[in-house]
Amino acid sequence: KAGVTQTPRYLIKTRGQQVTLSCSPISGHRSVSWYQQTPGQGLQFLFEYFSETQRNKGNFPGRFSGRQFSNSRSEMNVSTLELGDSALYLCASTRSRDAEAFFGQGTRLTVV
Amino acid sequence: AQTVTQSQPEMSVQEAETVTLSCTYDTSESDYYLFWYKQPPSRQMILVIRQEAYKQQNATENRFSVNFQKAAKSFSLKISDSQLGDAAMYFCAYRSTQGGSEKLVFGKGTKLTVNP
Repeated sequence: KAGVTQTPRYLIKTRGQQVTLSCSPISGHRSVSWYQQTPGQGLQFLFEYFSETQRNKGNFPGRFSGRQFSNSRSEMNVSTLELGDSALYLCASTRSRDAEAFFGQGTRLTVV
Repeated sequence: AQTVTQSQPEMSVQEAETVTLSCTYDTSESDYYLFWYKQPPSRQMILVIRQEAYKQQNATENRFSVNFQKAAKSFSLKISDSQLGDAAMYFCAYRSTQGGSEKLVFGKGTKLTVNP
């Protein structure tokens, strides 16, 4: 059974650009969550999607957005990139509310 | 809002020895989940162990066990017979059972070094 797949694995962007990251959950998992990991702030919750609906959102500016498709795949978008957006972005999928989250290997975003 | 605190930024242990990683949390809820995740240099977060707050019995997974003290809001991880492959960042995480969300709240992590 394939795990959570995140693409791309690495990305370098310039300040002011926008970026889209993709996450394919484990087959049968309908919930997808996104986290930002930085050395200073640690792991912070970005948002969560279930059945194409955003169920929860973290404390991030509106430049961060996401969506989920009917096949449960999810994308997150960051517009007008800032240097501080450089981070590891992790995606996790969950089968049900009482189950654990499975994580992808992350996308390492560097903003220069 | 819930918070998770890991007071040990770094720990080290000799191979085959036992080490305990500390975690405390703050919540007003009575039912929740607690997790320990491991993040090796490959960056993929791997679940080590989980604990449901309503269960008094401490969870155990092979060489990994927890000491769950609900009243003290403490959730420590004990690794027995440490192996070189246990070297990683370890994160304690909290998840509420309310509100329909599966949001995880993480501690800052503990970097575990295993010395041969």
